[in-house]
Amino acid sequence: EAQVTQNPRYLITVTGKKLTVTCSQNMNHEYMSWYRQDPGLGLRQIYYSMNVEVTDKGDVPEGYKVSRKEKRNFPLILESPSPNQTSLYFCASSLYAWTEEQYFGPGTRLTVT
Amino acid sequence: DAKTTQPTSMDCAEGRAANLPCNHSTISGNEYVYWYRQIHSQGPQYIIHGLKNNETNEMASLIITEDRKSSTLILPHATLRDTAVYYCIVRVRPEFEKLTFGTGTRLTIIP
Repeated sequence: EAQVTQNPRYLITVTGKKLTVTCSQNMNHEYMSWYRQDPGLGLRQIYYSMNVEVTDKGDVPEGYKVSRKEKRNFPLILESPSPNQTSLYFCASSLYAWTEEQYFGPGTRLTVT
Repeated sequence: DAKTTQPTSMDCAEGRAANLPCNHSTISGNEYVYWYRQIHSQGPQYIIHGLKNNETNEMASLIITEDRKSSTLILPHATLRDTAVYYCIVRVRPEFEKLTFGTGTRLTIIP
């Protein structure tokens, strides 16, 4: 089944403890991106990747890192999480950046205390 | 990207057509109109997109006005499973890597 998977789905952590949220797609898509969703603010793009080893900042990249060493994986790294990074995170992929349809993962709900 | 304006919420009776409006009065000639929906904190789902002609697929129809300043997403026979937040997005081809969501319209289908 074609899908985007994220792990973990739920995570509660403490301020400053490094964490990684994994994202994987099995559709051989070149484009992948990360979004966060907060009440009243909609979805905001954090980082995106046009292809392996090519990443760029979205609208809200501060406090996040990403890497794209393989086409299928695009992990989101929070080196020192803070409470303002408590949010619902979505990974998405599409064949190319300009492809009409982006496929979204199920989401990761992160709470930083 | 052009800014979009959508009503915050709408209700529609089950079985009726749901018409969701979107205003994008500052849209430029090379910007496409996209619609996505999000069902209760699940990942957003692509519905349809168009440039200037009306479009139809198995999920919905998209009607874009001749001046392209507004559009309407039509769900022809709404079901309870169509209850979701619907996002209207405009996207310019050279910057396709960015997909900017607003706050959308919360559509509730009433039994």
